[in-house]
Amino acid sequence: QAGLTQPPSVSKGLRQTATLTCTGNSNNVGNQGAAWLQQCQGRPPKLLSYRNNNRPSGISERFSASRSGSTASLTITGLQPEDEADYYCSAWDTSLSAWVFGGGTKLTVL
Amino acid sequence: EVQLVESGGGLVQPGGSLRLSCAASGFSFSSYGMNWVRQAPGKGLEWVSGISGGSSHTYYADSVKGRFTISRDNSKNTLYLQMNSLRAEDTAVYYCARGSDGSGQIALDIWGQGTMVTVSS
Repeated sequence: QAGLTQPPSVSKGLRQTATLTCTGNSNNVGNQGAAWLQQCQGRPPKLLSYRNNNRPSGISERFSASRSGSTASLTITGLQPEDEADYYCSAWDTSLSAWVFGGGTKLTVL
Repeated sequence: EVQLVESGGGLVQPGGSLRLSCAASGFSFSSYGMNWVRQAPGKGLEWVSGISGGSSHTYYADSVKGRFTISRDNSKNTLYLQMNSLRAEDTAVYYCARGSDGSGQIALDIWGQGTMVTVSS
């Protein structure tokens, strides 16, 4: 099952802004929108946002998401050391009747 | 507290079987679709299977179709994954994850800690 496309790595400095991208198609990101997950080393994934820019309770406003067509983006402002993690986008694919994930972006905070 | 706790992982030989369980608490289990997602060592997330709240709909990744069976017991608030004909490439941490709404198609919002499955002779 084809997955979503994410850049493997992004590096940014402390207190800078990072924008992570995720490209799918009209059956997944372009249809249902994307959900973003953060996975810190050795931990399970944690939901950061869904339906493009809805945040679960407790998630910092420094995390914001958007979508343009079949490409979703996650923007993290004021980068902190604890933001260093792997970030995955996900979406339900209506053609496959399956969840699809991006390969993940490793964010390094310099 | 909303919680998912997986169990049942371990070492199994190629061709063998294993049944994973996921105990849910803190929410109305039968109202939510549930999923299994796996992560091979050092790799990304791969969705494995999903099931609707009332078990009427089940979904599988092509890589496990015909070998794995997802089920749930709403009276026990427990999700299962029966894995047969296991292969080395099934080696991974297996997470159970809740669908965030009735459709189960918006987000996977609650994740368990995972259980490790190793397929090796």
